[in-house]
Amino acid sequence: GAGVSQSPSNKVTEKGKDVELRCDPISGHTALYWYRQSLGQGLEFLIYFQGNSAPDKSGLPSDRFSAERTGGSVSTLTIQRTQQEDSAVYLCASSLNYNTEAFFGQGTRLTVV
Amino acid sequence: GESVGLHLPTLSVQEGDNSIINCAYSNSASDYFIWYKQESGKGPQFIIDIRSNMDKRQGQRVTVLLNKTVKHLSLQIAATQPGDSAVYFCAENSASDYKLSFGAGTTVTVRA
Repeated sequence: GAGVSQSPSNKVTEKGKDVELRCDPISGHTALYWYRQSLGQGLEFLIYFQGNSAPDKSGLPSDRFSAERTGGSVSTLTIQRTQQEDSAVYLCASSLNYNTEAFFGQGTRLTVV
Repeated sequence: GESVGLHLPTLSVQEGDNSIINCAYSNSASDYFIWYKQESGKGPQFIIDIRSNMDKRQGQRVTVLLNKTVKHLSLQIAATQPGDSAVYFCAENSASDYKLSFGAGTTVTVRA
């Protein structure tokens, strides 16, 4: 596609529910990143994919968070048993390879009530 | 540990003036740097990048300067316009580290 696409754009969920966030990277981009941004804050790194493998999962805040990538393309970030502190904008970025220009999607705004 | 940060959290600029946004980094192994612009409610937008084998790179109305000696990066915006009002982030990467590390951001406000 023309850019990185994320869905849904907004998600409101009840505390304790599971949510799945989707990222469609730019076609041909092998590197994919997930970040989290709380209101008025910077970007917190969550996970990095090179192809389908995740060499760096160091940013996942707890075992309630997981992510996968299939076919070297679409990635999903899953948050189980959501908590109010999970409320944030979740951003996805892709690049041709790591250490090259990374382009971001518009993000998914997650609100846990 | 390594960190990337910005010197000032806010910058107010008169329309038409030049803006300079600064960024300090501590990882001496960092070899790739990017500046992003983020408008309210949107994802970060790529502005310009620079690799460590360069000191300066120019784009349209923007210039990035890299001083590896003091681990300092700056973004200069010429003839600042109201549409330049946003939060600006610097990010760095190294060949030994996959992730892009971001600073806290500088909010630029352009006065008419």
